[in-house]
Amino acid sequence: GAGVSQTPSNKVTEKGKYVELRCDPISGHTALYWYRQSLGQGPEFLIYFQGTGAADDSGLPNDRFFAVRPEGSVSTLKIQRTERGDSAVYLCASSQQGFGTPGANVLTFGAGSRLTVL
Amino acid sequence: SQQGEEDPQALSIQEGENATMNCSYKTSINNLQWYRQNSGRGLVHLILIRSNEREKHSGRLRVTLDTSKKSSSLLITASRAADTASYFCATFSSGYSTLTFGKGTMLLVSP
Repeated sequence: GAGVSQTPSNKVTEKGKYVELRCDPISGHTALYWYRQSLGQGPEFLIYFQGTGAADDSGLPNDRFFAVRPEGSVSTLKIQRTERGDSAVYLCASSQQGFGTPGANVLTFGAGSRLTVL
Repeated sequence: SQQGEEDPQALSIQEGENATMNCSYKTSINNLQWYRQNSGRGLVHLILIRSNEREKHSGRLRVTLDTSKKSSSLLITASRAADTASYFCATFSSGYSTLTFGKGTMLLVSP
């Protein structure tokens, strides 16, 4: 598509529930990133995919968080047993080249999914 | 963790004035980028400066980089009300696969 698409734009759930957030990156972008942004803070890195594989998942806060990208395009961020502290805007971004390749890497972000855990 | 620290946290100016935001970082970098965010949602890339560059221009934007001081500044000239947004610096460092963002500067431009 023309831009990075994220769904849902808003999600309200109850503590303990399971949540899935979807990201559809720009067509042809091999690299995909998930960030989390809390109020008044900058985006914090969660996970980075190069193609289908998670090249770096060091930012995932704990094992309740998991992300997949089975066909190298759409990605889903999955959060189990949600907690109130998971409330944030979850941002997805894609780029044509992954980090570690020569040249600059500029991220194109989606509008984000705002998650509220009650 | 967040590598960059923007200064000031908030800036309020009148239309037509210049806005200057600063960013400090901790580790060596390959490049530094500035992004803009409206209404707490998606970020938009503004400009990138490589570690071997000292200054870069794009329209009304001017970015400087001082690697000896591990700092950068973003200057927006002749600001407009539409420039009201949060501005973030982000760094890319060798050995890391992530772009690391600072906490941002909130800019308010009043008509």
